Amino acid sequence: EPEVTQTPSHQVTQMGQEVILRCVPISNHLYFYWYRQILGQKVEFLVSFYNNEISEKSEIFDDQFSVERPDGSNFTLKIRSTKLEDSAMYFCASKREYEQFFGPGTRLTVL
Amino acid sequence: GQQLNQSPQSMFIQEGEDVSMNCTSSSIFNTWLWYKQEPGEGPVLLIALYKAGELTSNGRLTAQFGITRKDSFLNISASIPSDVGIYFCAGLLLSSGTYKYIFGTGTRLKVLA
Repeated sequence: EPEVTQTPSHQVTQMGQEVILRCVPISNHLYFYWYRQILGQKVEFLVSFYNNEISEKSEIFDDQFSVERPDGSNFTLKIRSTKLEDSAMYFCASKREYEQFFGPGTRLTVL
Repeated sequence: GQQLNQSPQSMFIQEGEDVSMNCTSSSIFNTWLWYKQEPGEGPVLLIALYKAGELTSNGRLTAQFGITRKDSFLNISASIPSDVGIYFCAGLLLSSGTYKYIFGTGTRLKVLA
C-alpha cells in the first residue's frame, strides 16, 4: 500500500543552522501538508501546499520556514535558522480528496 | 481560532473493556478523521466520516459524525493491549476559501492486561 515517507528520521542540529526535512508524498495525491508536534502535545498545522503554491499557513510558519516541491515527488520543509523551540516531530501529510495520510515523522533536535 | 476539545485526556482501562472518546467544537466541520498515534510514529488514519449522522465501523472501532457537524465520537470495543496509544480527532474545516484540518488535543489510552 502506498505511503508517505520522510527523511531523515532524526536530525540533530545546532541552533542557528539551516535544516531541510524531506518528504515523498503518496504519488497521486494533490495536497501536501507539514505539521509539527512538540513532545507530549497535539499535532499543529504549519502549512498546506497545492498546485505548486502555499494555500494556507499558520502563525507558526513565519519567515524562517519555507516549503518547496523541487521535482515531481519530493516536498521539503526548510527552517533557515533553527531555534531551540523548533525541537519537535515534524510530520508530512498528503491527501487526494478528504483522507489525509501522515508520514512517520522527522524528529528534530536543536541544541 | 478554531478549537477541537477532545475528552477524556487520558484513560486507564482493563483489557476487554469498551472505550469511548469524543471531540466537540463550536465550528462546523465537513469531514471528521480519527487517528491513532504510537510513540515515535506518525498518526495512522483509523476512520473517516463524511456526512452528518454517519456511523462507520472499522473492526472493533466505531465512529460517528454528529448531526450538528460539530462533534464526533470514537468507540473501541473489547480493548486489547495493542490499543495503547494516543487517539486524535481531526476536523476538516473550510476557512477563508481553503480547507484545513484542525486536530484535537488527543486521548491517551492505556490498557491494563
